[in-house]
Amino acid sequence: GENVEQHPSTLSVQEGDSAVIKCTYSDSASNYFPWYKQELGKRPQLIIDIRSNVGEKKDQRIAVTLNKTAKHFSLHITETQPEDSAVYFCAARPVDSSYKLIFGSGTRLLVRP
Amino acid sequence: EAGVTQFPSHSVIEKGQTVTLRCDPISGHDNLYWYRRVMGKEIKFLLHFVKESKQDESGMPNNRFLAERTGGTYSTLKVQPAELEDSGVYFCASSPTLWGTNEKLFFGSGTQLSVL
Repeated sequence: GENVEQHPSTLSVQEGDSAVIKCTYSDSASNYFPWYKQELGKRPQLIIDIRSNVGEKKDQRIAVTLNKTAKHFSLHITETQPEDSAVYFCAARPVDSSYKLIFGSGTRLLVRP
Repeated sequence: EAGVTQFPSHSVIEKGQTVTLRCDPISGHDNLYWYRRVMGKEIKFLLHFVKESKQDESGMPNNRFLAERTGGTYSTLKVQPAELEDSGVYFCASSPTLWGTNEKLFFGSGTQLSVL
């Protein structure tokens, strides 16, 4: 089955710097890759997603890139702000009967003011 | 619109006891998922309902876990008897469809289960 690995597990950056979180997946048939953000004490929320027919997608300060050949995708946050501090989860969706998401282990991002 | 709601938010029980978690998905969402996150690890898939039917329960750890979704509305996840390794945060999520622009998963806030 699908397996998603996420790195790093923790990331500390200075406010204004960029942050990059990387994920790799194992099932080449996976076709949908969302990123969720979970702030302390809150529910995970979708912040951006990308489909397998697209190489890059951007939404203001966040962007996601996908390399299907290498089976990896990355989240890029530019001009980080303290409110970006949270746990970020990547996920991949294999093509099966339930279209369930397979998540990475999460990255705790701390943006230092 | 009301989001996915889960009850209770926290539960502390002793090993061997029974606990039932409840999830109310967003109204009209046919797809309901249960996930679990053990501290520091991935959000792991448990099972998927389409309306009242179990579409995929390949992630259920063992037969101590029983999920139901009678009537295709809210769902319950019962753990009986609970073991120490069942501790974690149990998330419920729902979505209206499986593909296209409405496939986004909406998560509940989770139930923090602690088995002592």
